[in-house]
Amino acid sequence: DVVLTQSPLSLPVTLGQPASISCRSSQSLVHSDGNTYLNWFQQRPGQSPRRLIYKVSNRDSGVPDRFSGSGSGTDFTLKISRVEAEDVGVYYCMQGTHWPPLTFGPGTKVDIK
Amino acid sequence: EVQVVESGGGLVQPGGSLRLACAASGITFSNYWMSWVRQAPGKGLEWVANIKPDGSEKYYVDSVKGRFTISRDNAKNSLYLQMNSLRGEDTAVYYCAGGRTCGWWGQGTPVTVSS
Repeated sequence: DVVLTQSPLSLPVTLGQPASISCRSSQSLVHSDGNTYLNWFQQRPGQSPRRLIYKVSNRDSGVPDRFSGSGSGTDFTLKISRVEAEDVGVYYCMQGTHWPPLTFGPGTKVDIK
Repeated sequence: EVQVVESGGGLVQPGGSLRLACAASGITFSNYWMSWVRQAPGKGLEWVANIKPDGSEKYYVDSVKGRFTISRDNAKNSLYLQMNSLRGEDTAVYYCAGGRTCGWWGQGTPVTVSS
């Protein structure tokens, strides 16, 4: 099974400042069809998860453009250009290239300093 | 707007059974892979199972194989999870998620396995 490792696991941030979360995979996430199925999810406190980014860098509908995804192969990054109060929560990466099983990273908890 | 609503969760004794249901609207349900994802209290997300749009293929995480069965009724825009031989470690909020990579989620239904 593919193992996803996130860092940091806890990220205190200052409002208005940038934030970055890393996701590393135990093997390349490039699919035989040429796509890389690495996705990012946000889970605000008390809420269901919400997909933010699919296939590395594509923002879902309604996701603010301060969120961006990048990376390739085994190393991926989610960036928030300027953190807002509503961004507090846990962020998960998930791979859909080598499945079953679909696997999630352990999550990164973002809170305000 | 896509809406996904889960139901069927509750308290069940170890060894018992429960059937979860998920009703979807705002999408052409029969076009999409559907998944169940769970979250144990205070823990991260764990994919449990998924099913192909026509129901012909089903996949499970190893820990539930032989105990859980995913199914769907496209005429009713509904997804199901039959859970048998439940264990304490199955205690979690169970989410229904749509699309190959879980593009939309329901609010979840809690399952507690305890005597």
